[in-house]
Amino acid sequence: AQSVTQPDIHITVSEGASLELRCNYSYGATPYLFWYVQSPGQGLQLLLKYFSGDTLVQGIKGFEAEFKRSQSSFNLRKPSVHWSDAAEYFCAVGAGGATNKLIFGTGTLLAVQP
Amino acid sequence: EAGVTQSPTHLIKTRGQQATLRCSPISGHTSVYWYQQALGLGLQFLLWYDEGEERNRGNFPPRFSGRQFPNYSSELNVNALELEDSALYLCASSPQGVISGELFFGEGSRLTVL
Repeated sequence: AQSVTQPDIHITVSEGASLELRCNYSYGATPYLFWYVQSPGQGLQLLLKYFSGDTLVQGIKGFEAEFKRSQSSFNLRKPSVHWSDAAEYFCAVGAGGATNKLIFGTGTLLAVQP
Repeated sequence: EAGVTQSPTHLIKTRGQQATLRCSPISGHTSVYWYQQALGLGLQFLLWYDEGEERNRGNFPPRFSGRQFPNYSSELNVNALELEDSALYLCASSPQGVISGELFFGEGSRLTVL
């Protein structure tokens, strides 16, 4: 069965520091992979997505993610974190075909220290 | 262009009552998804509707049901409410489901069961 694991429930970084959020997935075929961000009291906004091609994907707000098939990972990175990046981040895998849904990880809550 | 809209924003019910949540997708989107976001559990897939038909449902009891109307708006009904149904219910829409790309999320309806 498809699944997504985000091993870090909560991460705190200093403003200006680099960030990496981990995501591992389990999926039999080539996955569609997504990172979403949820600010307090808001819905989810798409940061970036991977369908095929270049394994390094650029997204909005300066985020990028790298698809590594051998490690079943799709980690999210940002070289310099801003205070406004404090939010909850969700990794998701798209299960196509008849199921056609997104399966989400449990999320990583990011806190940014001044 | 209007995004996905959900109503009500907040809803308070008591155990045993019924709750109805509503969702209007982005104009032109035919697929509507419902997710439950309970504290600490991430997003759990509830239902997927497309072209007025229920296409898939997650691992939830039958007291969770819904429908999609001819204008593609959707309604989620939760009968015989239990305390653990307290959660943020997120609706998302897409043109054709996850294969076509991202899901666009509303800001959610927060259901509190007392």
